[in-house]
Amino acid sequence: NAGVTQTPKFRVLKTGQSMTLLCAQDMNHEYMYWYRQDPGMGLRLIHYSVGEGTTAKGEVPDGYNVSRLKKQNFLLGLESAAPSQTSVYFCASKPTRDMWYEQYFGPGTRLTVT
Amino acid sequence: KNQVEQSPQSLIILEGKNCTLQCNYTVSPFSNLRWYKQDTGRGPVSLTIMTFSENTKSNGRYTATLDADTKQSSLHITASQLSDSASYICVVSATYTRTSYDKVIFGPGTSLSVIP
Repeated sequence: NAGVTQTPKFRVLKTGQSMTLLCAQDMNHEYMYWYRQDPGMGLRLIHYSVGEGTTAKGEVPDGYNVSRLKKQNFLLGLESAAPSQTSVYFCASKPTRDMWYEQYFGPGTRLTVT
Repeated sequence: KNQVEQSPQSLIILEGKNCTLQCNYTVSPFSNLRWYKQDTGRGPVSLTIMTFSENTKSNGRYTATLDADTKQSSLHITASQLSDSASYICVVSATYTRTSYDKVIFGPGTSLSVIP
């Protein structure tokens, strides 16, 4: 049981390039989330999904797209990377909306856009 | 505006000493408050969860308190160990019954360093 995994762990992009971050969970969780973490700020929600085939915008969705074609995978895409997207990206999942379940986080992806 | 503030921003303590971290929030409607521990280079891991009716919750050497009237929470660490060095994040959730999503607001965290 690997929990939540993220690939890649590190990436450097040039402005304008595109990339996809992959999040995978093997816990059969319905809810999945993408966050970004910047120095001095709390994690901010980019997009989330409440089940296979569904996605919704979070707090800071601009410049990002997501897809949840399979229940276990949640992809985050950057179509045209900008320096403002330099950040550490975390994926998380939880079984249901029930508040007693915690979110399980992946190890993060450190992205630098030059 | 939903907001979570934490203090201090960073803290250095000697191994074996106790410390207390603070969290103030303005989140409505309040559902629950969690404290997470985030080791360097890792994702956050939940330590405790408290709801409106709970004042104290313990998890080993970690004790969280909640005062829902003043909207304040604290995390007390007893007999600190080197492995306690991490960022501690206060997270407050608001529940909106007509949506499929509960708004979760993360604090900026307190960076704790435990030195020998």
